[in-house]
Amino acid sequence: EDQVTQSPEALRLQEGESSSLNCSYTVSGLRGLFWYRQDPGKGPEFLFTLYSAGEEKEKERLKATLTKKESFLHITAPKPEDSATYLCAAVRGATNKLIFGTGTLLAVQP
Amino acid sequence: DTEVTQTPKHLVMGMTNKKSLKCEQHMGHRAMYWYKQKAKKPPELMFVYSYEKLSINESVPSRFSPECPNSSLLNLHLHALQPEDSALYLCASSRTETPSAYNEQFFGPGTRLTVL
Repeated sequence: EDQVTQSPEALRLQEGESSSLNCSYTVSGLRGLFWYRQDPGKGPEFLFTLYSAGEEKEKERLKATLTKKESFLHITAPKPEDSATYLCAAVRGATNKLIFGTGTLLAVQP
Repeated sequence: DTEVTQTPKHLVMGMTNKKSLKCEQHMGHRAMYWYKQKAKKPPELMFVYSYEKLSINESVPSRFSPECPNSSLLNLHLHALQPEDSALYLCASSRTETPSAYNEQFFGPGTRLTVL
């Protein structure tokens, strides 16, 4: 069965304290791995798409990487405005149906 | 521009009411989606429209009725809802329904629905 698992469920960091979020997947025929950021009560905001193992993408303080079994979202020197829930999602098969993980709630304290 | 708009932002309705949610995108996308999201849970897919035709219905109760009048608009008609249907309803769009790494789904801000 296709599955996407994120860890940790919640992460509290001090401002400037770098860390990584994990997204493990067991999806046959992966067509893409996506990262989204979601603020409370708002829709998910697209961050990155990754396709092949070894691929890396960067945006400001965020860097996403992909291996054959997992993806990491590295946050370098986070700021309080980086506080949000980070969702990863995989796509496989004949339709563009996203298989979401349960998310990591990140809180960055000043 | 990667904007998907949704109206209204908030909706409160009784169990006997009929209401509609509206979604619009002007990115030329030909696939549009409705998701339901409960608190502290990831979005759950409800419906997919591809080229204005219903492609996927994830066994959603008939009290939810989707409609795609044209390639830019997506509606969700609500009737006889239950309190447990209270949630954030999200619309999304992508270039097509074909899965690929570069066919990202872009989400709207959502409609917060409360059923009394």
